[in-house]
Amino acid sequence: QVQLQESGPGLVKPSETLSLTCTVSGYSISSDYFWGWIRQPPGKGLEWIGGIYHSGSTYYNPSLKSRVTTSLDTSKNQFSLRLSSVTAADTAVYYCARAAAVTGQNNYWGQGTLVTVSS
Amino acid sequence: DIVMTQSPDSLAVSLGERATINCKSSQSVLYSSNNKNYLAWYQQKPGQPPKVLIYWASTRESGVPDRFSGSGSGTDFTLTISSLQAEDVAVYYCHQYYNIPLTFGQGTRVEIK
Repeated sequence: QVQLQESGPGLVKPSETLSLTCTVSGYSISSDYFWGWIRQPPGKGLEWIGGIYHSGSTYYNPSLKSRVTTSLDTSKNQFSLRLSSVTAADTAVYYCARAAAVTGQNNYWGQGTLVTVSS
Repeated sequence: DIVMTQSPDSLAVSLGERATINCKSSQSVLYSSNNKNYLAWYQQKPGQPPKVLIYWASTRESGVPDRFSGSGSGTDFTLTISSLQAEDVAVYYCHQYYNIPLTFGQGTRVEIK
């Protein structure tokens, strides 16, 4: 049973960097698949952020590309998101998810973690 | 970016009746080389992550009840719930994964009449 769980600070100050980790159980992230991030502002719709293949190749939403990095830690079976220079507009529930490919549907999702950007 | 537009924004349907949600993409999501539509439908209940119901426009995810079905091709797609159950109250999103950035529709809220 594949499971994903997000973790990280729930409060980030404006202009600082948001850092989240997704811990995966039930599957080795180094074996296959695309490991992605999607966010949802409170009461709003879904926005694809981007993610990373098991090989290390990354793909990002162009609207966020200048501020986003993702990485793998295969020793811990985790992948991470960093979003720099955050503003209140980055306040959202952040989900990690697994897809067969960057051009694939997300079959497995974490429960999501709310990150609030506020001073 | 491919813009996904759903209609209606919300609908109320009686238990046991049919619910139909439409999704239109601003450009085709049909990949000619494999004849697949890069279109999925998700269900999201309050406080939960989205759950994939349908992918490749019409393939039901394992474990999804057969009252859920997807149809359409190119730019016009439909999610049908053939007989609405109480547990189907949720927001439904269409999603194109044809090209980057991947995008979602604005969501359709389904309620019981």
